Amino acid sequence: ETGVTQTPRHLVMGMTNKKSLKCEQHLGHNAMYWYKQSAKKPLELMFVYNFKEQTENNSVPSRFSPECPNSSHLFLHLHTLQPEDSALYLCASSPDFGSYEQYFGPGTRLTVT
Amino acid sequence: GENVEQHPSTLSVQEGDSAVIKCTYSDSASNYFPWYKQELGKGPQLIIDIRSNVGEKKDQRIAVTLNKTAKHFSLHITETQPEDSAVYFCAAESKGNTPLVFGKGTRLSVIA
Repeated sequence: ETGVTQTPRHLVMGMTNKKSLKCEQHLGHNAMYWYKQSAKKPLELMFVYNFKEQTENNSVPSRFSPECPNSSHLFLHLHTLQPEDSALYLCASSPDFGSYEQYFGPGTRLTVT
Repeated sequence: GENVEQHPSTLSVQEGDSAVIKCTYSDSASNYFPWYKQELGKGPQLIIDIRSNVGEKKDQRIAVTLNKTAKHFSLHITETQPEDSAVYFCAAESKGNTPLVFGKGTRLSVIA
């Protein structure tokens, strides 16, 4: 495995629920990322954290709220989602922000009903 | 910003044959080009990457070539095996706030 773990692996939630996705990396990396993967679309970068500081928010709706308490953990808090938010949410990490290889977790398959 | 185009979107080959996936990019300042393999139910896994100071890199049955002048790079898989069946993504470094820009992926099927 790549050293990036994500929980839960599958999540079904209603539009009024609040849930959180968790990511943990054991690689000693300084940068962490959230991506959204939908069918027949390129990977969409949502958020970037570098040394625990958020450096990028790619116009993501406020119903997605990231949290990075330390450089090893990353959360994505979800509330009042829409059915079109159903997708595979991938976490990744890299040694530093920039032109370095990114290591991905297995993803959380989210279904919004 | 960087734009990455990947072709083909699907590819079927007979076991033992070679497979080639091609990508083009738009930003001539990009210097790093990774390839990822994503199997069903898993996240993308880095399989090979190349930086702009070399034109080709090999790792066993996998090779990547880079043509900086034409701004395209390709993944070559020789002697394909059924376990090579997966979705392959190319990516290119971006100098903007998105460090990597990904192609849409190629679904490779190796037929035994």
